[in-house]
Amino acid sequence: QVQLQESGPGLVKPSETLSLTCTVSGGSLGGYFWTWIRQSADKGLEWIGRISANGPNDYCPSLRSRISMSVDTSKNQVSLKLISLTAADTAVYYCVRENWYFDLWGRGTLVTVSS
Amino acid sequence: EIVLTQSPGTLSLSPGERAALSCRASQSITRSYLAWYQQKPGQAPRLLMYGVSNRATGIPDRFSGSGSGTDFTLTISRLEPEDFAVYYCQQYGGSPPLTFGGGTKVEIK
Repeated sequence: QVQLQESGPGLVKPSETLSLTCTVSGGSLGGYFWTWIRQSADKGLEWIGRISANGPNDYCPSLRSRISMSVDTSKNQVSLKLISLTAADTAVYYCVRENWYFDLWGRGTLVTVSS
Repeated sequence: EIVLTQSPGTLSLSPGERAALSCRASQSITRSYLAWYQQKPGQAPRLLMYGVSNRATGIPDRFSGSGSGTDFTLTISRLEPEDFAVYYCQQYGGSPPLTFGGGTKVEIK
């Protein structure tokens, strides 16, 4: 059974960089897009971007200048970096498997941006 | 970017009643690439429906989806206690960004 587990800091200071990792267990990264979605009370569910093991990335246009994603197939991990954080980036961040639609979700990790 | 508008914002119903949730798109959705998700407090969203009317694995047949073009409906034929939650529609037919509706909360009356 494939499972996704997000990990990263729960608290980040404004202007700093957020680094999150998603570990995929019970399956390989191949054949899917791996997506980051965040959820906040203000903006609801927001698609951040996606990456595949051997293909191009797609990023949300409004976040493109601040995002990078990477894949480590040896560790079965997907990573997200988001720079220049502000309070508006406070949200629950989900790692999600994309099979056109989003068929498998991690539990999510709460990230709070505060000094 | 395709904007999805869900209505109503909140639906107050009793167990056993029928629920009809609407999702309207700002432009026609390619090849019926519309999905629905259910989210309960403290949990991640869960896939319910994809391709407008296909139930995901393990989803009971009291859930059904319909619609085409820009207007879509999720129907729950008889509400069970575990169905009270927030429901989101999502389109995956257009170019990124993939977008979600704002959600409909189904609450116990």
